Amino acid sequence: EAGVAQSPRYKIIEKRQSVAFWCNPISGHATLYWYQQILGQGPKLLIQFQNNGVVDDSQLPKDRFSAERLKGVDSTLKIQPAKLEDSAVYLCASSLLTGWNYGYTFGSGTRLTVV
Amino acid sequence: DAKTTQPNSMESNEEEPVHLPCNHSTISGTDYIHWYRQLPSQGPEYVIHGLTSNVNNRMASLAIAEDRKSSTLILHRATLRDAAVYYCILPPPFNSGGSNYKLTFGKGTLLTVNP
Repeated sequence: EAGVAQSPRYKIIEKRQSVAFWCNPISGHATLYWYQQILGQGPKLLIQFQNNGVVDDSQLPKDRFSAERLKGVDSTLKIQPAKLEDSAVYLCASSLLTGWNYGYTFGSGTRLTVV
Repeated sequence: DAKTTQPNSMESNEEEPVHLPCNHSTISGTDYIHWYRQLPSQGPEYVIHGLTSNVNNRMASLAIAEDRKSSTLILHRATLRDAAVYYCILPPPFNSGGSNYKLTFGKGTLLTVNP
């Protein structure tokens, strides 16, 4: 089966600019997650979708970050305006909502550098 | 999520076994123990999970202490490709709504494999 697709692979922007990341999960996976991974740390959950509804966005900085999942399939994560501290890898993951067997499948991520 | 403690780093030689420890003294009776790993420039990938009994798959073995307060991920013959950050995670018990179906990552153990 195809994996989780993310684009772009790399992005460099200046602070105060906006940026968007795209994720296409594995077909049939109801749950989609966006994680932020700062260098040297483990991934941190930003937002969780179940189909096209938000389940948990408690750690999403809503003043500058937004995310949507139209039609319960693809998702986009946007940052506007970006800050230097947003430099990180943004990971998308998806899972079948059938319990903990086999867990998540992650994409390779988008590496964002804010200068 | 129940807290886990892992060494920051470990080192191994190629083709030798590797034992990666994880302490989880506050584990509850229904907490599964999951292991993920993250290769350089990749998203995390599932390795193995278990509840009480030792588990084996094509990637690794999971040895769980009788009191479940610790576990060990065993790579039987380390290869250079096994160099990665290994995460031990205790996700919350799965509920029927799936709203708590999420993984919380710590810093993990950085495994270096020497040729």
